[in-house]
Parts: sequence; structure tokens; C-alpha cells
Amino acid sequence: DADVTQTPRNRITKTGKRIMLECSQTKGHDRMYWYRQDPGLGLRLIYYSFDVKDINKGEISDGYSVSRQAQAKFSLSLESAIPNQTALYFCATSDLIRGMDTQYFGPGTRLTVL
Amino acid sequence: SQELEQSPQSLIVQEGKNLTINCTSSKTLYGLYWYKQKYGEGLIFLMMLQKGGEEKSHEKITAKLDEKKQQSSLHITASQPSHAGIYLCGADPTGTASKLTFGTGTRLQVTL
Repeated sequence: DADVTQTPRNRITKTGKRIMLECSQTKGHDRMYWYRQDPGLGLRLIYYSFDVKDINKGEISDGYSVSRQAQAKFSLSLESAIPNQTALYFCATSDLIRGMDTQYFGPGTRLTVL
Repeated sequence: SQELEQSPQSLIVQEGKNLTINCTSSKTLYGLYWYKQKYGEGLIFLMMLQKGGEEKSHEKITAKLDEKKQQSSLHITASQPSHAGIYLCGADPTGTASKLTFGTGTRLQVTL
């Protein structure tokens, strides 16, 4: 079984709809992240969480919100989806070891907003 | 903010040939990570480099970190079709191990 899972894997929705993307991990890591990937722009950080009570905004948090329900679960919500939120979304987890923060990624969710 | 520039942006090589991908940072490198992504899929962690001059290898892939040049290189020896994909470098922009910045990736195709 995969260490980091994302659901759904693909989603098509309409402008204005509320969408939730879910991420679960079995790695036992405290740190979790949400990124989006767009062609030519690389990965951009949306939100990150270092434990259940810690939530931080990344570089592109506008239009998104997150919930850390447990150490193993981190959800990303789009309150009112818009077409420029069409992208590939990745969840990642990490554990700080020897001062390095190696991140492990889920398989991604391809979101299309019409 | 830190920017990571990867070169080349894309690369087509014949199977069996060697290749090098570079990742250059606009600021001090506190640590450098290499990932591989198959098209439309998740990122797979390859290796991380923590100290200047450090070199690591995994199978036919070798990565080096040159702190003075603020640069890392990824070298693939005797490329195979399985090496095809997008290679991304990531770095810790603040040295606090709190989050990573990623380059835009190098797309590698390996022809038979």
C-alpha cells in the first residue's frame, strides 16, 4: 500500500462549486504539505502543517483552506472553485531528520474547473 | 525569495548516452533534493545533498553539490528508457528546514 494517498485522483467540477481534496499518510510523519503544479511554473506551496495544531500559509493560499484532522490526514478545500485553479495537486509529508526535511509525495489529484 | 533554475529545460538523448542536468540557486543552498516525476504522476525522492562537495549515487544516477557555485548537478550514466521523466530539484530557502522551493523541472526523453 502507498504511504501517501490522495483522493480523488481526478475531479472535474464547475465554477463556484466547493471541492475537498483529501490526503492520508501511513508514514507517521508530523509534517504535511499541499502543492499545486502548473505547466512552466513548477510546484508551488499552498499550505503546510507541522502538527495537528499548526497550520501555515504558503505562497499561494488565496482561494484555498485546509484542515488537519489528525496526524495522518490533511485536507485541502476550494471554497468556490474557479477555472484558474485547474491544476495537478500534490500532498506531501516529511519528517525532520539530521536537519533535512525530505518530503514524500502522493500520486496527485488532477482537478479541472470548468 | 529563492529561485532555482534548471538547465536544460528539456533533453532528448539516445539510450546508452550519458547526460547531466543542472540546478542553480539564486541564493545560498542549505540543502538540495532531487526528485523524479513520471508524466502526470507523483514525485519520487531520489537523493538529498547536505554539504558542499557532497556526492551521492544511486544505481546509475549521481548527484553533486557545489556550495560555492550554489549549484547541483545530476548525472545519469548509460541512460535507459526507464530514466525518462521530469527531474526536479528542491532546496531549503531559509536553512530552517521548514519548507522547500522547487525548480520548474527538466524533461528527459530517452530514445531507442
